[in-house]
Amino acid sequence: GQQLNQSPQSMFIQEGEDVSMNCTSSSIFNTWLWYKQDPGEGPVLLIALYKAGELTSNGRLTAQFGITRKDSFLNISASIPSDVGIYFCAGQPNQAGTALIFGKGTTLSVSS
Amino acid sequence: KAGVTQTPRYLIKTRGQQVTLSCSPISGHRSVSWYQQTPGQGLQFLFEYFSETQRNKGNFPGRFSGRQFSNSRSEMNVSTLELGDSALYLCASSATGGRGNEQFFGPGTRLTVL
Repeated sequence: GQQLNQSPQSMFIQEGEDVSMNCTSSSIFNTWLWYKQDPGEGPVLLIALYKAGELTSNGRLTAQFGITRKDSFLNISASIPSDVGIYFCAGQPNQAGTALIFGKGTTLSVSS
Repeated sequence: KAGVTQTPRYLIKTRGQQVTLSCSPISGHRSVSWYQQTPGQGLQFLFEYFSETQRNKGNFPGRFSGRQFSNSRSEMNVSTLELGDSALYLCASSATGGRGNEQFFGPGTRLTVL
């Protein structure tokens, strides 16, 4: 089945640093979504992307939908301790309707 | 607007039992999707319901089933539980479930099978 390759698997950074993570796929997606999940909670939607080449920001977060429609990246600027968590990318293939396919996640640790 | 709610939050069952989990979507949302999250497999799609009809199904055995009621609330059922069914079960709601409709997740139900 379709899979998303998300990297890096984990990151350990200092407060104030910028962070970048990405997802790639062998298949085309029509929608890319980025979620953050805290321990014991469900994923929270951060950014949704619907057009190839689209660049969208949400506060200190910026995400882009790759031109080939097979990749996406998420940047976090000036990280703070509350950015700690697991970040997931999710792609929605057109044929599957609303079913999202998730990456394995990037675990972010921020030291102050 | 209230978010997606799931009950119960935690559940412990033994092998061979069955379990029913409940999900109430965001008011006005008509699509409910269910996902299983495990450390090994990550988040995997189970099925999606829209207007009381299963519209999409993932690659899970028939022991996993669900339904949706006229008020859009949804339940999923797992029969003959196996140890490997231990997971966080998440439900997500969206307005119509089509392209361009973001999915919002509930807090999940943590199922432990002993």
